[in-house]
Amino acid sequence: ETGVTQSPTHLIKTRGQQVTLRCSSQSGHNTVSWYQQALGQGPQFIFQYYREEENGRGNFPPRFSGLQFPNYSSELNVNALELDDSALYLCASSLGLAGVGNEQFFGPGTRLTVL
Amino acid sequence: GQNIDQPTEMTATEGAIVQINCTYQTSGFNGLFWYQQHAGEAPTFLSYNVLDGLEEKGRFSSFLSRSKGYSYLLLKELQMKDSASYLCAVITTDSGNTPLVFGKGTRLSVIA
Repeated sequence: ETGVTQSPTHLIKTRGQQVTLRCSSQSGHNTVSWYQQALGQGPQFIFQYYREEENGRGNFPPRFSGLQFPNYSSELNVNALELDDSALYLCASSLGLAGVGNEQFFGPGTRLTVL
Repeated sequence: GQNIDQPTEMTATEGAIVQINCTYQTSGFNGLFWYQQHAGEAPTFLSYNVLDGLEEKGRFSSFLSRSKGYSYLLLKELQMKDSASYLCAVITTDSGNTPLVFGKGTRLSVIA
């Protein structure tokens, strides 16, 4: 059984650029959630994808967008990067929606630095 | 709004017992998770409580009181490898927006 994987591991961008982060969900899982974790803080929910549709979104601007593919892998896109976007981006997969108590399995994260 | 409070830092001695508290005020409640996160790594699942009471799993136990909006994680026979951040996360009933709300985490240091 393959766990949750994310790529790239680290990324450095400059303000105004765009970035795409990728996540492969654990085998058999149909739901992917994305979180932003600033240093010393808990993860903040960005959005959740269930069977290729967005199902729940946190308090993040529209320049944060995502996709889920038929194989349930997912992408997080961030446009017009700002310095405050520097954080660890975590992807978590689950069998079913996170909001009904399904255990989420986290990937190792992508460390994004915006200069 | 959603509010989850945990102590920022705690220190305990190897072999001892430590209790990490979490209080929450959220729009509805559908359960509470505890996660462990070592520095630079992903959170890993420790426990899930949805009913009042104590759930025990080896050296780790988690307690929930829904009426008090309160949970704690109890770690027994502390080991050096238990040094990590411990995250409390609440499942709200606001499923259209933010189903899982995390606290800021409690950084536990285990000393010899």
